[in-house]
Amino acid sequence: LAKTTQPISMDSYEGQEVNITCSHNNIATNDYITWYQQFPSQGPRFIIQGYKTKVTNEVASLFIPADRKSSTLSLPRVSLSDTAVYYCLVGDRGNTPLVFGKGTRLSVIA
Amino acid sequence: DVKVTQSSRYLVKRTGEKVFLECVQDMDHENMFWYRQDPGLGLRLIYFSYDVKMKEKGDIPEGYSVSREKKERFSLILESASTNQTSMYLCAGGEMNTEAFFGQGTRLTVV
Repeated sequence: LAKTTQPISMDSYEGQEVNITCSHNNIATNDYITWYQQFPSQGPRFIIQGYKTKVTNEVASLFIPADRKSSTLSLPRVSLSDTAVYYCLVGDRGNTPLVFGKGTRLSVIA
Repeated sequence: DVKVTQSSRYLVKRTGEKVFLECVQDMDHENMFWYRQDPGLGLRLIYFSYDVKMKEKGDIPEGYSVSREKKERFSLILESASTNQTSMYLCAGGEMNTEAFFGQGTRLTVV
């Protein structure tokens, strides 16, 4: 399974755009990149998934360069309620389950 | 709304007790997972199941077993609870390496 590396923590002010980068140097051809969000005392929640280039939904955007060795989760105009831990996962859609790392703890400040 | 429901939010058990953590999903997914989450260690996979009566070990299966008699129910069993199994336990159902739905978690304390 591809190993991922992401910052342990980040701080941001309300209203700013936040970009969280994840490195996955040994990503395989069949691997997808998936991001989850976890609020305190809750289970993780799926945010977005992509394979290459750019994916956007109502919550976030995911940017993946051509070499796919990294990816960036972009949260537009964050609010206090976006304070959470964000996990980057890499894996294929075969028979291997989700493997979580330690995630990035985002703190949004008023 | 899809739902994964864990039977207890908080549980306190004594060392040596046999503990059952129950998880039920209403999504008709084949795949279900059990994780534990500890401060500084993130989520670690204990066991998963991709079909009824099927189970696979995750990264930390020691001290645990599972049961999947029906598609919607996946139980985690602590054969003889120990204090180092005090943790938050999270159950999930969903597809492999794509969208999975998590329960609210069970915070287990072993005293």
